[in-house]
Amino acid sequence: NAGVTQTPKFQVLKTGQSMTLQCAQDMNHEYMSWYRQDPGMGLRLIHYSVGAGITDQGEVPNGYNVSRSTTEDFPLRLLSAAPSQTSVYFCASLGRGDPKETQYFGPGTRLLVL
Amino acid sequence: AQSVTQLGSHVSVSEGALVLLRCNYSSSVPPYLFWYVQYPNQGLQLLLKYTSAATLVKGINGFEAEFKKSETSFHLTKPSAHMSDAAEYFCAVSGVNFNKFYFGSGTKLNVKP
Repeated sequence: NAGVTQTPKFQVLKTGQSMTLQCAQDMNHEYMSWYRQDPGMGLRLIHYSVGAGITDQGEVPNGYNVSRSTTEDFPLRLLSAAPSQTSVYFCASLGRGDPKETQYFGPGTRLLVL
Repeated sequence: AQSVTQLGSHVSVSEGALVLLRCNYSSSVPPYLFWYVQYPNQGLQLLLKYTSAATLVKGINGFEAEFKKSETSFHLTKPSAHMSDAAEYFCAVSGVNFNKFYFGSGTKLNVKP
């Protein structure tokens, strides 16, 4: 199993550009989440999904969109990038009974918005 | 609503000394509590978790944590620090459905030779 994979590893955007951060997992997990990590603020939940076709907002959803058309993929879209979205983004997945309650994190995407 | 507070953004200990990282939680439902470790430029790795079984939870790398409901705490300890323990540690809380995890702001552990 590859676990949770994220692409790209690093990205530079100009203000106003759009992009999609990719996340995929091969563990057949129902739950997937996106977090952003900023110094001194820990990880904050952006959006999450409890299964294909079902998504919901987390703590800091503004400026981000998600969709979940398959169990494996959970892309995060930045519609119009702003410098405040400079951060490290982590995708995570969790499946019941595998082992239960354990989130698996991807390696992260570092995003710089100029 | 659920939240986590980690006291001390930086903790420094000598090699061989006790490690104590503090975490207090707020939750309106019985919480599930977690400690994660993050090494530089890597994702998060689960150290241990409390899910309403034994209140003293043992994790990987010699770490353990005790759930104290009366104090709403879940402090992480290790009897003897190793240089390899230098990392950032995050406490997190979730409800029973695990849809949402709330993380603390993190504590960077420095281990001095």
